[in-house]
Amino acid sequence: AQSVTQPDIHITVSEGASLELRCNYSYGATPYLFWYVQSPGQGLQLLLKYFSGDTLVQGIKGFEAEFKRSQSSFNLRKPSVHWSDAAEYFCAVGPNSGGYQKVTFGTGTKLQVIP
Amino acid sequence: DVKVTQSSRYLVKRTGEKVFLECVQDMDHENMFWYRQDPGLGLRLIYFSYDVKMKEKGDIPEGYSVSREKKERFSLILESASTNQTSMYLCASSVSGSIREQYFGPGTRLTVT
Repeated sequence: AQSVTQPDIHITVSEGASLELRCNYSYGATPYLFWYVQSPGQGLQLLLKYFSGDTLVQGIKGFEAEFKRSQSSFNLRKPSVHWSDAAEYFCAVGPNSGGYQKVTFGTGTKLQVIP
Repeated sequence: DVKVTQSSRYLVKRTGEKVFLECVQDMDHENMFWYRQDPGLGLRLIYFSYDVKMKEKGDIPEGYSVSREKKERFSLILESASTNQTSMYLCASSVSGSIREQYFGPGTRLTVT
């Protein structure tokens, strides 16, 4: 069965500093991978996704993520964090096959940005 | 822009009440989902539907049922609300076929007292 691990429950960074949020997945083949962001009191918004091809994926709001098959990781990065990036971030994995298959979400990483 | 709306942002109900949570999407998506979100547990799938009148159980269907009479609307029903169903409920939709990104509504925070 597929699974996702986000080892950091809470991260605090200074505004302007770089950010890396970790995500490790378990799946037998190349999965579909997603990062979502949830601002306080809001639903989830897709930041970026990986299906195939280039392993470095660019997303919205200046985020990027790198798929590393050898490490079963899909870490999210941003070179310079803004105060508005304070939110909760969810990594998700889904099987790379036809038809509907379930997407599994991680438990989330809450990002705090300090001035 | 895809829009997924949920009927209430906040809801307070009493134990034993029947509760309806409504979700509407405007992008003609075939798939619709109900999740509950709890701190430290992430999102857990309750039910999903891949077509009108079709439904599949997710990971935690106990105590819930769903209804999809029209393509754009997916309802979550708590037959007899209990305090352990106090949670944030998120609705989502996606196009049919293989995995595609899901579009989420703003959520309904349900408190059962």
